[in-house]
Amino acid sequence: QVQLQQWGAGLLKSSETLSLTCAVYGGSFSGYYWSWIRQPPGKGLEWIGEINHTGYTNYNPSLKSRVTISVDTSKNQFSLKVTSVTAADTAVYYCARVGSGYLNRWGQGTLVTVSS
Amino acid sequence: QSALTQPASVSGSPGQSITISCTGTSSDVGGYNYVSWYQHHPGKAPKLMIYDVSYRSSGVSNRFSGSKSGNTASLTISGLQAEDEADYYCNSYTSSSIYVFGTGTKVTVV
Repeated sequence: QVQLQQWGAGLLKSSETLSLTCAVYGGSFSGYYWSWIRQPPGKGLEWIGEINHTGYTNYNPSLKSRVTISVDTSKNQFSLKVTSVTAADTAVYYCARVGSGYLNRWGQGTLVTVSS
Repeated sequence: QSALTQPASVSGSPGQSITISCTGTSSDVGGYNYVSWYQHHPGKAPKLMIYDVSYRSSGVSNRFSGSKSGNTASLTISGLQAEDEADYYCNSYTSSSIYVFGTGTKVTVV
């Protein structure tokens, strides 16, 4: 049974860089795309972007200028970086596995708070 | 890419059926059968309920069903139970090769 475990800094100051990593245990890594999603407090889910094992990425245009998703196939891990964060980037961030058009395995979520 | 439109809230009594709509455009919901639905309880990770418009994810009760007509997808919960109280989000693949979520619907069992 595939499991996703994520970690990263939970408290940042404005203008810093958010950095999260998601490790995949069990199952195939190269056979899927891997995605990041976030949920600001009191708001809905927002798709951030995705990556496959070759490093091919797709990003939400609204975040593309500040977001980088990378992959380390030797460790079955993928990572998210968001530069120049503000309070608007405060959210619970989730990593997830992408099936054929759906997200079928999710990480536990990481709350990232940006203070001014 | 704008979020798909869902009603903010839907409520029903135990045993009743409710339907949540998810309206997009021909560039997302209407153009692809890659519509999925997620159940989200506060503090937990979202759970895939329906994928490819109408297929139930493994282990999901057959009380949950999905459909699509034109640019609008729907999730129906029949035989509503207290445990169904949660937030529900639709999601669709888009012509821009990205995904978009719906605005979310809070389901209340009254």
